[in-house]
Amino acid sequence: EDKVVQSPLSLVVHEGDTVTLNCSYEVTNFRSLLWYKQEKKAPTFLFMLTSSGIEKKSGRLSSILDKKELFSILNITATQTGDSAIYLCAVEASSSYKLIFGSGTRLLVRP
Amino acid sequence: DTAVSQTPKYLVTQMGNDKSIKCEQNLGHDTMYWYKQDSKKFLKIMFSYNNKELIINETVPNRFSPKSPDKAHLNLHINSLELGDSAVYFCASSQDFRGFPDTQYFGPGTRLTVL
Repeated sequence: EDKVVQSPLSLVVHEGDTVTLNCSYEVTNFRSLLWYKQEKKAPTFLFMLTSSGIEKKSGRLSSILDKKELFSILNITATQTGDSAIYLCAVEASSSYKLIFGSGTRLLVRP
Repeated sequence: DTAVSQTPKYLVTQMGNDKSIKCEQNLGHDTMYWYKQDSKKFLKIMFSYNNKELIINETVPNRFSPKSPDKAHLNLHINSLELGDSAVYFCASSQDFRGFPDTQYFGPGTRLTVL
């Protein structure tokens, strides 16, 4: 059965810290991996990764995919209180064309 | 402009009632989805339509019936509501599920509470 596992489940850091969120997956016919940030309501798109070893970057956030070891990491440097959210990892399988979500990592950034 | 919109945002109703949630996207996308997010924040897909045609139908009770009058709209009708149906329901859309790996854009969610 296809599955996506995120770790840690929750994380508390102080402003300025750097955090690394992990996402591992077991999916038949992998197509893409996506990261979302969910604050109060709808998840908002962060990154989509399809190729191994190519880092995607947006401001203080970056992500990379390892298709051999079946995982991705999301890095946030110089964290701010506004980064507090649930970060969701999802994997798309070409056999089913649906997103399979992990349970998310709840990040709390304290001032 | 709102890309993916849902109505209502909140819905409180009694067990046994029938209710509908509406979703509209103005992105020109061909594919739309319904997800259920439970109390543990797990997002699970329920249905997906591509250009008004059902393509994903996960194992959900047949009390749930999606309807797509056109490719910009995907509504969710729920009959005989049960306590366990309480959740946040998200609608999403993407360009075309058959194309290059595609980002899904989510609506704001509808929080359904069944009393």
